[in-house]
Amino acid sequence: EVQLVESGGGLVQPGASLKLSCVASGFTFSDYWMSWVRQTPGKTMEWIGDIKYDGSYTNYAPSLKNRFTISRDNAKSTLYLQMSNVRSEDTATYYCTREDITIAAPSLYYWYFDFWGPGTMVTVSS
Amino acid sequence: DIQMTQSPASLSASLGETVSIECLASEGISNSLAWYQQKPGKSPQLLIYGASSLQDGVPSRFSGSGSGTQYSLKISGMQPEDEGVYYCQQGYKYRTFGGGTKLELK
Repeated sequence: EVQLVESGGGLVQPGASLKLSCVASGFTFSDYWMSWVRQTPGKTMEWIGDIKYDGSYTNYAPSLKNRFTISRDNAKSTLYLQMSNVRSEDTATYYCTREDITIAAPSLYYWYFDFWGPGTMVTVSS
Repeated sequence: DIQMTQSPASLSASLGETVSIECLASEGISNSLAWYQQKPGKSPQLLIYGASSLQDGVPSRFSGSGSGTQYSLKISGMQPEDEGVYYCQQGYKYRTFGGGTKLELK
């Protein structure tokens, strides 16, 4: 059974840094791209970015690229999200997701999230 | 960024009724479109990918269709367990989600 379990959330002050973790089990972690997605208290869903299965490439939502860093440790089956200079608008539930890809045609890929963790809540407030 | 606009924002349906939810992309996304269901207090679950492919384990009353910029999710015969919020997501350029559609049983 695929399981993704996030940790590291909590109350953090504006301007601080925070590192979230996600431990994966039930599948070969090093075979999959992984992503972080967040959901605001108003239920807006926002993709943060993803990382290639071997950790050699990362891709970020343009609006978040400068403050968030995604990494992984395949030996520990763990995904990370380093957040820096956090703001009140970063208050959200952060989900770790497994990405799957269907190759529909040469250079045409369908990217989607086939498994999600339960999420970890981050609240940014002084 | 590709913007995804869902409609309606909310709807209620009777038991057994057929329901449709629409998703409009700001530019063509070549069927790189997924649908998710989220129940209160739970994480989203994948229903449809590639605009029309049913994820393993998802009931066959769920179906997806569309092309270009316009896509839809259909539930053929509303069941009590189908209550929740539904999101579309494009995976053509980066990833963006629609605003969600809240579905309730009438």
